[in-house]
Amino acid sequence: DAGVTQSPTHLIKTRGQHVTLRCSPISGHKSVSWYQQVLGQGPQFIFQYYEKEERGRGNFPDRFSARQFPNYSSELNVNALLLGDSALYLCASSSEGGIWQYFGPGTRLTVT
Amino acid sequence: AQKVTQAQTEISVVEKEDVTLDCVYETRDTTYYLFWYKQPPSGELVFLIRRNSFDEQNEISGRYSWNFQKSTSSFNFTITASQVVDSAVYFCALSGKTQGGSEKLVFGKGMKLTVNP
Repeated sequence: DAGVTQSPTHLIKTRGQHVTLRCSPISGHKSVSWYQQVLGQGPQFIFQYYEKEERGRGNFPDRFSARQFPNYSSELNVNALLLGDSALYLCASSSEGGIWQYFGPGTRLTVT
Repeated sequence: AQKVTQAQTEISVVEKEDVTLDCVYETRDTTYYLFWYKQPPSGELVFLIRRNSFDEQNEISGRYSWNFQKSTSSFNFTITASQVVDSAVYFCALSGKTQGGSEKLVFGKGMKLTVNP
């Protein structure tokens, strides 16, 4: 079975632009979580979705939003990009929003 | 709120040395899980070990062992006979609840391990 997949792998955007990152969970998993990892720091929780409903949100501004689709894939959207949004964005899937979270390879976003 | 502290930021050892990674955590939850993850340069987080708060038995798995002490809120991780392939950033993580009742992970800042031949 395929693991968690994320696209794109790398992305370069300019300040003020908008970006959409995508994640496909492991087959059968209904929950997706998003984490932001700034260089030199540990991952920080952004969102969790389970069965298309938001189950949790970290301490991030409203410029960050996400959604989950009927096939349980998910998108993370960031508006009005800032230089500080440059980071590795990790997606994790779990079967029911539980603690066994399987991480994808991440999308590395660079904002110039 | 949960918090994980990894006081060491970077360690460099010579191959075959043992190395211990320290982790101290804070939580008000009575039931929680602790994790160690490895992140090689490729960026993907690789799960290593998990322990729940009810089980303080320390174990060894291959070259990995861990020391969980609830009394001091510590969850230290040891690599025995380190190898060059162990070079990576290691994260300690603690489980926490989201507002919606699901689980999230709270990570420490990570510790970069370099194993030299």
